[in-house]
Amino acid sequence: GAVVSQHPSRVICKSGTSVKIECRSLDFQATTMFWYRQFPKQSLMLMATSNEGSKATYEQGVEKDKFLINHASLTLSTLTVTSAHPEDSSFYICSATDRDRLHQPQHFGDGTRLSIL
Amino acid sequence: TQLLEQSPQFLSIQEGENLTVYCNSSSVFSSLQWYRQEPGEGPVLLVTVVTGGEVKKLKRLTFQFGDARKDSSLHITAAQPGDTGLYLCAGERGGAQKLVFGQGTRLTINP
Repeated sequence: GAVVSQHPSRVICKSGTSVKIECRSLDFQATTMFWYRQFPKQSLMLMATSNEGSKATYEQGVEKDKFLINHASLTLSTLTVTSAHPEDSSFYICSATDRDRLHQPQHFGDGTRLSIL
Repeated sequence: TQLLEQSPQFLSIQEGENLTVYCNSSSVFSSLQWYRQEPGEGPVLLVTVVTGGEVKKLKRLTFQFGDARKDSSLHITAAQPGDTGLYLCAGERGGAQKLVFGQGTRLTINP
């Protein structure tokens, strides 16, 4: 089955640091990737939709200058949390899908646990 | 306002019992997906339902999509401890492929 690789799996860093998270589709072309945030004991909340070769579309309330998304190729999207603060600590999950195929499910990465001290 | 209401949010039952998890909305979805998520991992797709009234079975799990494509249910027969986990429903609206997730059901099966 389709595999999505997310790296790193865990990051612990000091307040003010910028952190980059990578999301790769390993065996299919991901025309669309999604970035989610999940707080403890809560469900996934969509942050932004990333389409290859174009600017990401952010959900209401998500700061685009805080969460920079780049989708430079059909297999890689990156999320950079700029100047991270403790309130940015969360579980970040990406998913990828082939938009050109109808009703294709999203395949999820294993998430990145971000802890800002 | 939660677009997808999932219930119950917590369920703890004994091994061998049956259970049903519900996912309800006032909105119509082009498809609905059920995922299972383990702690510290991403969600893993269980099933996608597309057609109103559709029923899909995956071993002891039965998934149903409402006739109006606004609701869905997951029924587990003879639950086992290995079924323990967080179950998430997610609806896709139109052709945007954006998913809206329910709150999740944290299921615990006691031996």
